[in-house]
Amino acid sequence: SQKIEQNSEALNIQEGKTATLTCNYTNYSPAYLQWYRQDPGRGPVFLLLIRENEKEKRKERLKVTFDTTLKQSLFHITASQPADSATYLCASGSGNTGKLIFGQGTTLQVKP
Amino acid sequence: EAGVTQSPTHLIKTRGQQATLRCSPISGHTSVYWYQQALGLGLQFLLWYDEGEERNRGNFPPRFSGRQFPNYSSELNVNALELEDSALYLCASSLDRASYGYTFGSGTRLTVV
Repeated sequence: SQKIEQNSEALNIQEGKTATLTCNYTNYSPAYLQWYRQDPGRGPVFLLLIRENEKEKRKERLKVTFDTTLKQSLFHITASQPADSATYLCASGSGNTGKLIFGQGTTLQVKP
Repeated sequence: EAGVTQSPTHLIKTRGQQATLRCSPISGHTSVYWYQQALGLGLQFLLWYDEGEERNRGNFPPRFSGRQFPNYSSELNVNALELEDSALYLCASSLDRASYGYTFGSGTRLTVV
């Protein structure tokens, strides 16, 4: 079945460094991948979308890549800040089913 | 512009009871999506409503049902509640999920005791 996998281990980095989160997909070829941020007890917030024909997309300190050969997307936060601490979710559409398939999320902790 | 609103914020029910959760999408969005986020299980797709019709449902039993009203707001009903139904229930709306993603509400925390 279609699956999105993210590193379940928390990522701890020092303020100012670049955080890199990984999203791998299996058993299908998504037309796009989305990244969300979720704070505890809150709904996810949409951050970025990248399509299969785009190698890279940027938004302020955020950068997303999409490698269809490796079946992987990388999500980078440059010059990280403690306020970036949250869980980051990778998601992809599944045809015209209306649903997004979400990964389990990776929790990022940025230490001052 | 108001975001997606969900009510109630918290709901405590006894096993066997029924729960009703409500969602109002962003103005202009005709599609509403429901997800369940149980502890440690990630977001699981429940239901998709568009233009008043159920378009798709996830792998959940029939006691999970809902509807969409003419003003595009939506209701999720869970009958015969079980302890494992305890979760955060998230509603989202979208203008075009393939281009703009979902806008989620803050969720309803359902606790079944």
